[in-house]
Amino acid sequence: ETGVTQSPTHLIKTRGQQVTLRCSSQSGHNTVSWYQQALGQGPQFIFQYYREEENGRGNFPPRFSGLQFPNYSSELNVNALELDDSALYLCASSLGTGPGYGYTFGSGTRLTVV
Amino acid sequence: AQSVTQPDIHITVSEGASLELRCNYSYGATPYLFWYVQSPGQGLQLLLKYFSGDTLVQGIKGFEAEFKRSQSSFNLRKPSVHWSDAAEYFCAVGLNTGGFKTIFGAGTRLFVKA
Repeated sequence: ETGVTQSPTHLIKTRGQQVTLRCSSQSGHNTVSWYQQALGQGPQFIFQYYREEENGRGNFPPRFSGLQFPNYSSELNVNALELDDSALYLCASSLGTGPGYGYTFGSGTRLTVV
Repeated sequence: AQSVTQPDIHITVSEGASLELRCNYSYGATPYLFWYVQSPGQGLQLLLKYFSGDTLVQGIKGFEAEFKRSQSSFNLRKPSVHWSDAAEYFCAVGLNTGGFKTIFGAGTRLFVKA
C-alpha cells in the first residue's frame, strides 16, 4: 500500500505571498488532517477534511484554508504569508474521523518565509 | 482545556539500558492515547495506541505503554534501547470536541550513547 505523499518537500516564499501545499492520502484513507510543526515544537492541529468538507479546525486564522478532492487528496493554502508561518507542514491521513484512529503521516513540507 | 505534557525535553540513555518517557494528559473523559516517533526530517510514525481494555499496550519496535487513570499518565517504555531508537517521541490525545482533533505534546528528544 502507498503511504502519504506530500509535495513539495521544501520551498521558500516571501512574506505576503501565497502558497499551496499538496497531499495524497494513503490508499483507503478518507480523512486528511493538516498540522503545523514549528522548530522544536509538537505538531499543532490546523484542520481536518472528510468527504470534501472541513471537519474540525484548530486555532489558525482564516488565511489558512484547505480543500479535499474526491480522491481524498488535499491541499493546504496559506495567504498573506508571515515570517511565523515558517514551519514543517505535515499531512496525515486516517481511515475515519473518530478520535481513535491513528494517523499515517507524510514526511512534510518545509516552508521557509523570508 | 485539554492538554498533553511531556515533562522531559530530552533524555539520554546508554545503548542496552531501559527507557521510560513520561506523558501526562488533562482531559475529562478517558481519552484516546497515542505515542508517535519522529526521526530527523521525517514525518511521524505511530508506535502504539490505547482506547480501552488492557492498560498495558504493546507497540512496534519493542515499545510498550501503560495507561494509569489515577495518574492521568501514559508512559512509554522499552526494556533495552538500540542506537536506532534515537529520535523525537510525541505523546498525543485524540479528542472529539466539536470536531475531531489530536493534540500533541511538545515531544521528548531521545539521545542514545554507546
